[in-house]
Amino acid sequence: NAGVTQTPKFQVLKTGQSMTLQCAQDMNHEYMSWYRQDPGMGLRLIHYSVGAGITDQGEVPNGYNVSRSTTEDFPLRLLSAAPSQTSVYFCASSRTAGNTIYFGEGSWLTVV
Amino acid sequence: AQSVTQPDIHITVSEGASLELRCNYSYGATPYLFWYVQSPGQGLQLLLKYFSGDTLVQGIKGFEAEFKRSQSSFNLRKPSVHWSDAAEYFCALLGDNAGNMLTFGGGTRLMVKP
Repeated sequence: NAGVTQTPKFQVLKTGQSMTLQCAQDMNHEYMSWYRQDPGMGLRLIHYSVGAGITDQGEVPNGYNVSRSTTEDFPLRLLSAAPSQTSVYFCASSRTAGNTIYFGEGSWLTVV
Repeated sequence: AQSVTQPDIHITVSEGASLELRCNYSYGATPYLFWYVQSPGQGLQLLLKYFSGDTLVQGIKGFEAEFKRSQSSFNLRKPSVHWSDAAEYFCALLGDNAGNMLTFGGGTRLMVKP
């Protein structure tokens, strides 16, 4: 019973490097999303998807790209990492609107 | 626009004492409300949720929360705190936005004195 799985858990990047944070869920959920967590600011929505092939921007989308080619996977791409993207990233999923939202265990990213 | 405010950034209580963490929200209708807990280096765990019905909601680990529409609040309570409750607590709101997305408060860090 895996739930929402994020990889990697920890990553250090140099400024300008690119990387992808992976997120997969095995619950056949339509809705998936990415949040970033920064001290004192709670979690803020980066991008979200309401189904395969459909994505939209959240509150803080700049510097991030997403795609949703399958129901199970929702990767988050940093094309050119910046120190301001040092954060903890959480992926989440839910079956539909109004249902319980499940979170992954988080990915700690440091950009130096 | 919807928003969630947690007025207390840090709270320290003695083990065995009662606890109340404050959460205020701004939303035009009745929201869905949640409390999550995050231990250091860990992910988010759902403590409880309010969707409708009884305004006093029971959760896991002995926590409860009360929805008060007149005060736009959803405060989290526990009658007797344990050292293992030390963590960061987040209140969140689910409005009628597309995509079932949550708006979070800034969090309250709870420290427990022995």
